[in-house]
Amino acid sequence: QKEVEQDPGPLSVPEGAIVSLNCTYSNSAFQYFMWYRQYSRKGPELLMYTYSSGNKEDGRFTAQVDKSSKYISLFIRDSQPSDSATYLCAMSPWGAQKLVFGQGTRLTINP
Amino acid sequence: NAGVTQTPKFQVLKTGQSMTLQCAQDMNHNSMYWYRQDPGMGLRLIYYSASEGTTDKGEVPNGYNVSRLNKREFSLRLESAAPSQTSVYFCASTVGGVVDYGYTFGSGTRLTVV
Repeated sequence: QKEVEQDPGPLSVPEGAIVSLNCTYSNSAFQYFMWYRQYSRKGPELLMYTYSSGNKEDGRFTAQVDKSSKYISLFIRDSQPSDSATYLCAMSPWGAQKLVFGQGTRLTINP
Repeated sequence: NAGVTQTPKFQVLKTGQSMTLQCAQDMNHNSMYWYRQDPGMGLRLIYYSASEGTTDKGEVPNGYNVSRLNKREFSLRLESAAPSQTSVYFCASTVGGVVDYGYTFGSGTRLTVV
């Protein structure tokens, strides 16, 4: 079983919808949680970063961490066609030298 | 502000040929990484260098070698390419020896081995 599980999708929603992307993990030592966005034929770029549990909001994006359930989410409000990309979750314990990635979820926002 | 630069962007190799993928960062980062990305497999770590002068194996190191040439540059070498090494290769870097603030990725090298 992988340390980090992410539904690969694909996920297709209409413009303006609320999108929920999720990852589960098995390592209770994970403390740092990140979401990357990857456009087609580009490298991943850091979108959201959270430490430990709780919520973090940045514009239309909200990252949520529930350490008791070992579950993280990324919510996108008022989704736009420009949000169409692959979204990867990543996480690490404190002091780690490398991140552990989920498989990525391919998201399409239809105009 | 170039960030992480990878060369070449595309490459086609014949089975058994060798090549070196180049990566350079201009952010004064200490740690550098090589990943491969395959459909359905996500990002898999090949090798990493936590600091200048050190390298360590990742999840899928077989068939690859690396060199941390200096603080800026980290190269990946395929000595005898195989079709199973057809993939998109990403170089990444991070400021410290730990990954608390995430990676900065390059734009990737698309490699096809025929």
